[in-house]
Amino acid sequence: DVKVTQSSRYLVKRTGEKVFLECVQDMDHENMFWYRQDPGLGLRLIYFSYDVKMKEKGDIPEGYSVSREKKERFSLILESASTNQTSMYLCASTSSPLAGVAGELFFGEGSRLTVL
Amino acid sequence: DAKTTQPPSMDCAEGRAANLPCNHSTISGNEYVYWYRQIHSQGPQYIIHGLKNNETNEMASLIITEDRKSSTLILPHATLRDTAVYYCIVRVRGGSQGNLIFGKGTKLSVKP
Repeated sequence: DVKVTQSSRYLVKRTGEKVFLECVQDMDHENMFWYRQDPGLGLRLIYFSYDVKMKEKGDIPEGYSVSREKKERFSLILESASTNQTSMYLCASTSSPLAGVAGELFFGEGSRLTVL
Repeated sequence: DAKTTQPPSMDCAEGRAANLPCNHSTISGNEYVYWYRQIHSQGPQYIIHGLKNNETNEMASLIITEDRKSSTLILPHATLRDTAVYYCIVRVRGGSQGNLIFGKGTKLSVKP
């Protein structure tokens, strides 16, 4: 069964702390994504990566960075957490598209981060 | 980038067909329409996608108008477990591979 695994379902951190959210996929997918989800705002794309060591900003990259050192792993980093980063964070992956067609996105279960 | 418009919420009786509309009037010729759903406290789940022709799989049917400016997701016999937020998405042109933008979706409530 294909799987996208996020390291923590629930985290509580303090303002100013550095936060790492880890995501691992076992499908050999090239493309990986980090979204955040907030009530009334839907899913918003933070960063994505289409290859190892490659990354591109999504719609809301401010306050975040990412790391893709291995194909199966995509990490989201909050260098200095703030209360407005309290949210549900979702990781997703997809295979490399053919002819410009994006493949099906597989999502993890999500990581709910609370910043106090 | 093509945007989508969906009603914020819909109700459906259990056992009846649920028809969820989506407007994507600015869709480009090579952009696909995707549907995902998200059940409470879970990650989104892929349902179906299409370009021009109507599509059907074990979960749902997708009807795309001839001008491709709108589509309808049909759950033929809705069950209580289909209660979820349903997202209609158009693949972003010019973005990197696989960049899909989610909007606010439609909250479908299936009632007994």
